[in-house]
Amino acid sequence: AQRVTQPEKLLSVFKGAPVELKCNYSYSGSPELFWYVQYSRQRLQLLLRHISRESIKGFTADLNKGETSFHLKKPFAQEEDSAMYYCALKPTGGGNKLTFGTGTQLKVEL
Amino acid sequence: ETGVTQSPTHLIKTRGQQVTLRCSSQSGHNTVSWYQQALGQGPQFIFQYYREEENGRGNFPPRFSGLQFPNYSSELNVNALELDDSALYLCASRNRGGRTEAFFGQGTRLTVV
Repeated sequence: AQRVTQPEKLLSVFKGAPVELKCNYSYSGSPELFWYVQYSRQRLQLLLRHISRESIKGFTADLNKGETSFHLKKPFAQEEDSAMYYCALKPTGGGNKLTFGTGTQLKVEL
Repeated sequence: ETGVTQSPTHLIKTRGQQVTLRCSSQSGHNTVSWYQQALGQGPQFIFQYYREEENGRGNFPPRFSGLQFPNYSSELNVNALELDDSALYLCASRNRGGRTEAFFGQGTRLTVV
């Protein structure tokens, strides 16, 4: 069985400060990892996936198989980054079956 | 706008009743999955449908069932409602095959009293 752990329920940073949202996973195979974001009063939407190795809205995430981590990082936080962030894992051949963490609320203060 | 819509947005039911939640997927999306999100938790996978057949199920009892229709709509049915079924129910659809993400609906907030 797979599991996703996000140790922080709330992360508060000042505007311009670096951000790191932690995500650790357990899965015996080769998973696909995602970060989803939910802005206030909006639906859950994909932020980025590890296979794309892209930067979205200044966010990046690197899959570290040795540490089974997929932390989300941004060098300079912006006020509009305030949202709920969920790390999710999809097992090999898992279709739409995503296992989500409990989420981290990011609050960017001025 | 993702094109995935759910109805109703809010619903209150009594324990023991049955409920049907609906999802209208984006055209061409042949895979739909349903999630339950309890307060303060991440979404939990209920099941997935592909071409109108169940194609994967999470750790939910049989009183949670679903249907998928050829017109890209789907339903989640829950029988014998329990208080713990109170949650936000999300559907997500995608086009299986090719590189597409799953698009989520806005959810249905179910309250069981």
